Amino acid sequence: NAGVMQNPRHLVRRRGQEARLRCSPMKGHSHVYWYRQLPEEGLKFMVYLQKENIIDESGMPKERFSAEFPKEGPSILRIQQVVRGDSAAYFCASSPPQPNSPLHFGNGTRLTVT
Amino acid sequence: AQSVTQPDIHITVSEGASLELRCNYSYGATPYLFWYVQSPGQGLQLLLKYFSGDTLVQGIKGFEAEFKRSQSSFNLRKPSVHWSDAAEYFCAVGGDLSGGYNKLIFGAGTRLAVHP
Repeated sequence: NAGVMQNPRHLVRRRGQEARLRCSPMKGHSHVYWYRQLPEEGLKFMVYLQKENIIDESGMPKERFSAEFPKEGPSILRIQQVVRGDSAAYFCASSPPQPNSPLHFGNGTRLTVT
Repeated sequence: AQSVTQPDIHITVSEGASLELRCNYSYGATPYLFWYVQSPGQGLQLLLKYFSGDTLVQGIKGFEAEFKRSQSSFNLRKPSVHWSDAAEYFCAVGGDLSGGYNKLIFGAGTRLAVHP
């Protein structure tokens, strides 16, 4: 049973470009979370999605960031017009719908903005 | 405000020595507590979790943690450290105030180095 798959592992973008990060949850998991890890810091919650629904996006910056989890295909975290401060590791995690199910994390996408 | 504090940024121990990593939390309701481990360039792996019941929780790789409500602590312990335990360790809290336990608040992490 494959784990949470994130791609790409590393992404380099110039300032002003767009970054698209993909996450395929574990089989049977319908809940997806995105977390961001800045250098020397812990993970910070960004957004929680279920299929075709954003449940909680309270951790997402108000501008330039968006997330989706379509009926078919992976969850996408999109960052428009990237700036140097967006450089971080972005982790996706998934869980099944049952209450008290722990998160399973992917290996992350490391975004570098030059 | 909800928060997690890991007072030790770096810890170095000798292989075979005992280990305790500290974690203090602030949470306005019943907390769910977690310890995760992150190896370089990897994602986070769950070591153990506490929801309720026995305050001493056993996890994978020989780790355990004790929930002490009076001290708002959830310290991680291992009696004998192996070189492969070198990694970064994160404590996290969740619960009803976070909109559901999976909206976790993480500490800044403790980086563990192991001397041979």
